[in-house]
Amino acid sequence: SQTIHQWPATLVQPVGSPLSLECTVEGTSNPNLYWYRQAAGRGLQLLFYSVGIGQISSEVPQNLSASRPQDRQFILSSKKLLLSDSGFYLCAWSVGGGVGTQYFGPGTRLLVL
Amino acid sequence: SQELEQSPQSLIVQEGKNLTINCTSSKTLYGLYWYKQKYGEGLIFLMMLQKGGEEKSHEKITAKLDEKKQQSSLHITASQPSHAGIYLCGADQSGNTPLVFGKGTRLSVIA
Repeated sequence: SQTIHQWPATLVQPVGSPLSLECTVEGTSNPNLYWYRQAAGRGLQLLFYSVGIGQISSEVPQNLSASRPQDRQFILSSKKLLLSDSGFYLCAWSVGGGVGTQYFGPGTRLLVL
Repeated sequence: SQELEQSPQSLIVQEGKNLTINCTSSKTLYGLYWYKQKYGEGLIFLMMLQKGGEEKSHEKITAKLDEKKQQSSLHITASQPSHAGIYLCGADQSGNTPLVFGKGTRLSVIA
């Protein structure tokens, strides 16, 4: 069966510091991968998605970036965090070749102070 | 881009009562997905609807997609405390793009 992992679970970072969140999927090959952010009152916002290694689509211009160095690994990064980057970050995957059902990881709660 | 409106934003029901959550789209839905989220956790997939008039059930939760494929409802029968959480609808815009989501409906079930 497929499993999706995210870490860390919780992170408190000062403004201006770098960020690296990691997401890995097990039990499937060539998945589509997604990063969403969930902020209070704003719902679930799609940040990036990837249909293959090295292929990243950005949905929202901001100071975040994403990379997919391996087939089942998706990384969310920032060089300098802003207060507005605080939120709950969710990684998701779906079967490659279309969208279909997206399955979500447990999330990372980020607080920027 | 497609927008999804969920109503109500929050709901408090007494245990054992029935309830309905609605999700309305500004465009035709190619696929409509319902998820449940407990606070601080990831989203759990409940069910997906694709055809106009389709209805699916899982335990005491039933979801329907209207004939015009622009509105879906989620109905919970005889609510239990375990049903508490945030319910989100997500839509497939074209069959090949990531899901867009409504803002969610927060459900509380009180004894």
